[in-house]
Amino acid sequence: DAKTTQPPSMDCAEGRAANLPCNHSTISGNEYVYWYRQIHSQGPQYIIHGLKNNETNEMASLIITEDRKSSTLILPHATLRDTAVYYCIVRVNAGGTSYGKLTFGQGTILTVHP
Amino acid sequence: NAGVMQNPRHLVRRRGQEARLRCSPMKGHSHVYWYRQLPEEGLKFMVYLQKENIIDESGMPKERFSAEFPKEGPSILRIQQVVRGDSAAYFCASSTGKGNYGYTFGSGTRLTVV
Repeated sequence: DAKTTQPPSMDCAEGRAANLPCNHSTISGNEYVYWYRQIHSQGPQYIIHGLKNNETNEMASLIITEDRKSSTLILPHATLRDTAVYYCIVRVNAGGTSYGKLTFGQGTILTVHP
Repeated sequence: NAGVMQNPRHLVRRRGQEARLRCSPMKGHSHVYWYRQLPEEGLKFMVYLQKENIIDESGMPKERFSAEFPKEGPSILRIQQVVRGDSAAYFCASSTGKGNYGYTFGSGTRLTVV
């Protein structure tokens, strides 16, 4: 799986959008971009994933650049409860099946301030 | 629909004892993954199992650690002759093995070796 690079920490004011970047310059054509978060030593929580199109769900939006070498996770209206470590992971989905391990890096510690 | 259930939540063992960590996947999920998170570190993949089969154990220490996922019952991560360095949070995740969705993680078992 390709390696990802994320800033170690970011701050955001409550109610504002949080934009978390991720570089994955060695991503392969069949690798998806996944985002997870871990709130204070709880189990990681799936947020969103995508291949090349932008994606949106009830939690967040994922913007993937056209060359797929980087992406941005957007939390549109951050709350204090969004304070967590956010992980960007690239992974092969083999033949449309959920496959194999996730390789977690150090992630970005997002702190949302009142 | 219960999520991934791990028990116990907290486990204290003396050096040299055995630790057994249990994981019941979500209903309908036949794929289980175990991860370890050492204090102040990221999550590390340990093992990936389907019912009665180990698919990928590339992250398992060579000695003292074993995992199983029997036809009936929960997945078990077993650590024999525990040492202080085994103190960590152990997370289990499950999936259907199909589709492009992320895993669902449990809340973890925090093992403390004294």
